[in-house]
Amino acid sequence: ETGVTQTPRHLVMGMTNKKSLKCEQHLGHNAMYWYKQSAKKPLELMFVYNFKEQTENNSVPSRFSPECPNSSHLFLHLHTLQPEDSALYLCASSSGWGTDTQYFGPGTRLTVL
Amino acid sequence: KNEVEQSPQNLTAQEGEFITINCSYSVGISALHWLQQHPGGGIVSLFMLSSGKKKHGRLIATINIQEKHSSLHITASHPRDSAVYICAVDYFGNEKLTFGTGTRLTIIP
Repeated sequence: ETGVTQTPRHLVMGMTNKKSLKCEQHLGHNAMYWYKQSAKKPLELMFVYNFKEQTENNSVPSRFSPECPNSSHLFLHLHTLQPEDSALYLCASSSGWGTDTQYFGPGTRLTVL
Repeated sequence: KNEVEQSPQNLTAQEGEFITINCSYSVGISALHWLQQHPGGGIVSLFMLSSGKKKHGRLIATINIQEKHSSLHITASHPRDSAVYICAVDYFGNEKLTFGTGTRLTIIP
């Protein structure tokens, strides 16, 4: 399998639930990203990992917790979310951090009830 | 605040028409990206350019650095081109992309 994969593709959760989003890239890239896409708003960068080290945390609430165990895998742990957190969460990877072309996964459509 | 403006926000056209989507930005950039997002969410990178023009199949991207403006053109448009087209820029000194809100294109058979 090639490219960037994300699971699950759809997730519905209550505000008290704990869930995790998973991203995996098979491109040999060193940088991985989490983005949030809400309706009618630009993509918002949440986190960047470069060589497994977090290099960017774009003022994201602590109810979102990223984890990058290795350069191929990226997780986003979710707990005590709010309905306004409902959005499409996209993972991307690039060869290097910064200006390299990013390759995106299909996204996880999250609904918080 | 560095921003990226796209126009139009929505565009509906007949199959076969020539399509132009515009992107403007505010200060110096190292590169500009055009991305395509199909219904369902997946995003594909179409072009990355810092000057001049690039062509891939029926898609053409141009950039005018002096005017801080880029255009994405689609020739002989087809219903499968229906998607959201997103412009993103790498501002100098800011090692992350700044995204526009996208242009929703619908091509009617």
